[in-house]
Amino acid sequence: DVKVTQSSRYLVKRTGEKVFLECVQDMDHENMFWYRQDPGLGLRLIYFSYDVKMKEKGDIPEGYSVSREKKERFSLILESASTNQTSMYLCASSWEYRINQPQHFGDGTRLSIL
Amino acid sequence: SQQGEEDPQALSIQEGENATMNCSYKTSINNLQWYRQNSGRGLVHLILIRSNEREKHSGRLRVTLDTSKKSSSLLITASRAADTASYFCATASLNFGNEKLTFGTGTRLTIIP
Repeated sequence: DVKVTQSSRYLVKRTGEKVFLECVQDMDHENMFWYRQDPGLGLRLIYFSYDVKMKEKGDIPEGYSVSREKKERFSLILESASTNQTSMYLCASSWEYRINQPQHFGDGTRLSIL
Repeated sequence: SQQGEEDPQALSIQEGENATMNCSYKTSINNLQWYRQNSGRGLVHLILIRSNEREKHSGRLRVTLDTSKKSSSLLITASRAADTASYFCATASLNFGNEKLTFGTGTRLTIIP
C-alpha cells in the first residue's frame, strides 16, 4: 500500500513565522501535490511537482512556496505565516504520465496561525 | 477554481438505507473520482469512472456518469455506521500529460444507527 506521511498532525505557529510542512511518500511516485482544505470550499490546489526540483503553481499559490529536493519528499513553505493561512493542509502523490489513476493522500496537518 | 459541486451538502439516513450523492461539473474531463474523508483524516480513494464509461460498481458503491449533463452520482447501498464521513467528487483533467484533480465541496453523510 502507498503510504504518504505528513510530519505533523497538528501545528501551532505565530503570525510572521516561516513554517515548513513536510510530506514523504514511499511509492516512488513522481507527482506530488499540496492542497488546503477549508469548510465550504473543499480542497484547493496550492502547488504541485512532477519531478525533483520541478514545481508548478496551483490555484492558490500566493503566500506559499515549495521545495522538492528528493523524489520522495515535498515540502510546503509559508514564507511569513498569516492568520488566513490557518487551515488543514493535505499532501498527495501519484504516478507520472499515467492517466485514470487515483491520488494517495496523507492524513493532513491542521495548522493554526495565532 | 471549483469544478465539482456536490449535492446535498449534508445527508442523514438510517442505517441500512441507501445514500445517494450527486456531483455536477463544468468543463470536459478525463475521468471523475470519488473520495471519502473520515473526520480529521486524509482522503481515501473510493472509485474512478472514465469519461467513456456510464456506470461502475465496487462492492456497495455504484457510480454513474452522464457527460452530456456533466453530472455524476454516488450510491452507497445498505449503509453502515462506518460509512459516516464526507464524500468528495474530483474531476481529472490533463495538464501536459499528467492528471490534475479539481475537488468539489463535499457531502457530509451521517448514518444513524
